Amino acid sequence: DAGVIQSPRHEVTEMGQEVTLRCKPISGHDYLFWYRQTMMRGLELLIYFNNNVPIDDSGMPEDRFSAKMPNASFSTLKIQPSEPRDSAVYFCASSGGTTIKETQYFGPGTRLLVL
Amino acid sequence: SQQGEEDPQALSIQEGENATMNCSYKTSINNLQWYRQNSGRGLVHLILIRSNEREKHSGRLRVTLDTSKKSSSLLITASRAADTASYFCATAYSGAGSYQLTFGKGTKLSVIP
Repeated sequence: DAGVIQSPRHEVTEMGQEVTLRCKPISGHDYLFWYRQTMMRGLELLIYFNNNVPIDDSGMPEDRFSAKMPNASFSTLKIQPSEPRDSAVYFCASSGGTTIKETQYFGPGTRLLVL
Repeated sequence: SQQGEEDPQALSIQEGENATMNCSYKTSINNLQWYRQNSGRGLVHLILIRSNEREKHSGRLRVTLDTSKKSSSLLITASRAADTASYFCATAYSGAGSYQLTFGKGTKLSVIP
């Protein structure tokens, strides 16, 4: 079975540009999580969805960040406009279905560098 | 913050030795999980222990949970060079009604061949 798929794996952009990160969760999972990892702050939960509906977006840093899940197999995290402090590794994770719901399966991450 | 705190931040041992990592947290939990992250990769789930359990084993892994002290430990026995990675504890809140996890900052383990 394919795991969580994220694209792109690496993104380098200039300050002010729009960045879109993509995630395909494991088929059958009904929870999807977006995290950001930095050396300073560790792994932070940004937002999570249940059955495509955003449940908690309290971790989204500010209005420049938005996330959508138009269907069960696709989610996006958008940053507009991007800033150098957004540089981090962004992970998508999914859980649920027939597996233990509390266990999350992580994608390989998108390493974002904003110049 | 309900974030778990791992201790030590970094640990270096010789291959074959045991590695022990600790995690402390602040509030009631439903369960506590340990994840591993190899450099440049995503996190991988290792083991889950529920709040009514005290000890759990999986292969060379042993996890303990002391809810009275709000702490957990992960023991890796007979370590191998391939165990070199960062290890994170993650807590799931009681009554959250969700499967949201809060991760600590991790322990970086180096196993020297």
